[in-house]
Amino acid sequence: RKEVEQDPGPFNVPEGATVAFNCTYSNSASQSFFWYRQDCRKEPKLLMSVYSSGNEDGRFTAQLNRASQYISLLIRDSKLSDSATYLCVVSPGSNYKLTFGKGTLLTVNP
Amino acid sequence: EAGVTQFPSHSVIEKGQTVTLRCDPISGHDNLYWYRRVMGKEIKFLLHFVKESKQDESGMPNNRFLAERTGGTYSTLKVQPAELEDSGVYFCASSNLQGAVRNTIYFGEGSWLTVV
Repeated sequence: RKEVEQDPGPFNVPEGATVAFNCTYSNSASQSFFWYRQDCRKEPKLLMSVYSSGNEDGRFTAQLNRASQYISLLIRDSKLSDSATYLCVVSPGSNYKLTFGKGTLLTVNP
Repeated sequence: EAGVTQFPSHSVIEKGQTVTLRCDPISGHDNLYWYRRVMGKEIKFLLHFVKESKQDESGMPNNRFLAERTGGTYSTLKVQPAELEDSGVYFCASSNLQGAVRNTIYFGEGSWLTVV
C-alpha cells in the first residue's frame, strides 16, 4: 500500500466548477498535512496546511479526518489559473521528511 | 530575496558518467533537503542536512549517491556512476527553524537529469 494515495485523475472541469480532491495516508503517526500545488515542470509550492479543525483560504477548503486517515481539498469557483497538479503531502511532525502522493492533475477549461 | 536555486537546470549524461548537482538554499536556512521524482513515481525524500550535518539520509537509494554540504551553505549531490534509472528531477528544498512543525519548506525548480 502506498504511503499517500490520491485520486489518479486527471480532472477536467469548466471554469466556475467546484472540484474535490481526496487523499488517504497509511502512517497513523503522521502529524502534519499539506496540499502543495505544482505547475508543469516547476517546483512544488505550498498551497495550504491542513488542520484537524479544517481550514479555509478563499476559494480553497481543506479537511482532515484523522480517524479515517483522510484528507480533502475543495476548490470552489475554479479559475483557469487553478490548472496544475495538486499534491497531497504528509509528515511525521518534524516537518522535514515530507511524503508525497503522486498528485492529481487538474485542468480548468474556459 | 532569492529563493532556492539549483544548477544545472537540465543535464544529459551517458550511463557510467558522473554528474554533480548543486543547490543554494535560501539565505539563513539551516535545513536543506534533497528530493527526487523519477518518471511515473511520486516525489521521494532523499536526505536532510541541518547546517553541515546529515540529519537523515534514509532515502538515499544506494552508494552511488553522495551528498555534501561543506560549511553549511550550499549543497552538492553527486551521482557516480550514473545509471539509466537515475533519470528524473532532483529537487532541493530549504527551511529554517529546526523541528518547527508548521515551518514552510521552499523548493527549488529542480535539476532535470537524463541518463542515456
